[in-house]
Amino acid sequence: EAGVAQSPRYKIIEKRQSVAFWCNPISGHATLYWYQQILGQGPKLLIQFQNNGVVDDSQLPKDRFSAERLKGVDSTLKIQPAKLEDSAVYLCASSLDITDTQYFGPGTRLTVL
Amino acid sequence: KNQVEQSPQSLIILEGKNCTLQCNYTVSPFSNLRWYKQDTGRGPVSLTIMTFSENTKSNGRYTATLDADTKQSSLHITASQLSDSASYICVVTVTSGTYKYIFGTGTRLKVLA
Repeated sequence: EAGVAQSPRYKIIEKRQSVAFWCNPISGHATLYWYQQILGQGPKLLIQFQNNGVVDDSQLPKDRFSAERLKGVDSTLKIQPAKLEDSAVYLCASSLDITDTQYFGPGTRLTVL
Repeated sequence: KNQVEQSPQSLIILEGKNCTLQCNYTVSPFSNLRWYKQDTGRGPVSLTIMTFSENTKSNGRYTATLDADTKQSSLHITASQLSDSASYICVVTVTSGTYKYIFGTGTRLKVLA
């Protein structure tokens, strides 16, 4: 069974630039999560989708972050414009349903200079 | 406020030795508790999951315990191996109308030869 795929694995940008991350969840998984993990900390939920609807985006900085999950499968997370404090690993996870175990992708390490 | 605290923050042990990681939570209403292992540069991988009525769960050399009365959990690693070097994250699920995952900040374990 293929795992959660993310790309790119690494990205370096300058502040005020834009960046987008892509996630392909495990086939058949209805729930998709985006997390931000700052070095030395646990993951922080940014947004949670159930199929193509948003369940929780309470911690998403909506002035600069946006995410979509068209057709309830792949998802993209965008940051525009990026700030220095956005430097982190962005993890995507998926689960069969909202109560099931989450399977994480390898993450995208973002460095904002 | 829902919180999950882990200790120690970091730990160094010699290969072959045992160790125990702690997780204390103030979460209500509690649904379940998971332990994840996160290797450097990778996403977290689920090790165990325990519900309110379970007080121990094993996965190979990993044994998790849960005391729902004191709101404490521990992860015991037996006969440690170099490959156990990773961060271990405790995640507690809250059910209050919806599912929410409260992540601890993790314990970073280093196993030395």
